[in-house]
Amino acid sequence: DAGVIQSPRHEVTEMGQEVTLRCKPISGHNSLFWYRQTMMRGLELLIYFNNNVPIDDSGMPEDRFSAKMPNASFSTLKIQPSEPRDSAVYFCASSFLGDTQYFGPGTRLTVL
Amino acid sequence: SQELEQSPQSLIVQEGKNLTINCTSSKTLYGLYWYKQKYGEGLIFLMMLQKGGEEKSHEKITAKLDEKKQQSSLHITASQPSHAGIYLCGADTGTASKLTFGTGTRLQVTL
Repeated sequence: DAGVIQSPRHEVTEMGQEVTLRCKPISGHNSLFWYRQTMMRGLELLIYFNNNVPIDDSGMPEDRFSAKMPNASFSTLKIQPSEPRDSAVYFCASSFLGDTQYFGPGTRLTVL
Repeated sequence: SQELEQSPQSLIVQEGKNLTINCTSSKTLYGLYWYKQKYGEGLIFLMMLQKGGEEKSHEKITAKLDEKKQQSSLHITASQPSHAGIYLCGADTGTASKLTFGTGTRLQVTL
């Protein structure tokens, strides 16, 4: 069975550009989480969804960040406009009914 | 103040040696998750502990949760180069499905 799938694996963009990260959770999982990992702040939860509904977005840094989950098998995290301080590894994770979270391989974002 | 603290931050051990990583919470843990991360990769789930005093083992890795459910330890017996990576603990402190992660312990195993 495929795990959590994220794309792209690497993204390099220039400041001011829009960036869209994509995630496909494990089939049957009903919770989806977006995390950001940096050396300075470690792994931080940005937002999570239950049954496609955003439950807690208190970790979203600012209005430049937005996340959607149009259906049970797809979610996006968008940054517009991007800034150099957004450079990080972004992880998506999914779980079933609050059980163990399984992580994707991550997207390494570099904003120049 | 930091909710979840891991120690040590980094560790270098010789192959074959035992080691212990600690994770301490300022709140009662409803669940404690251990993950391993290799550079450039995602987090791999290792074990989950829920009950006070619980202990689980997988191959040469043993994780324990203390009776008060505020501290967990991860013990590796006879370490191997394949154990190298970053070990992270994730805590469920009762806030819905959210996990708070420690800062991680970077483990290097030398030959």
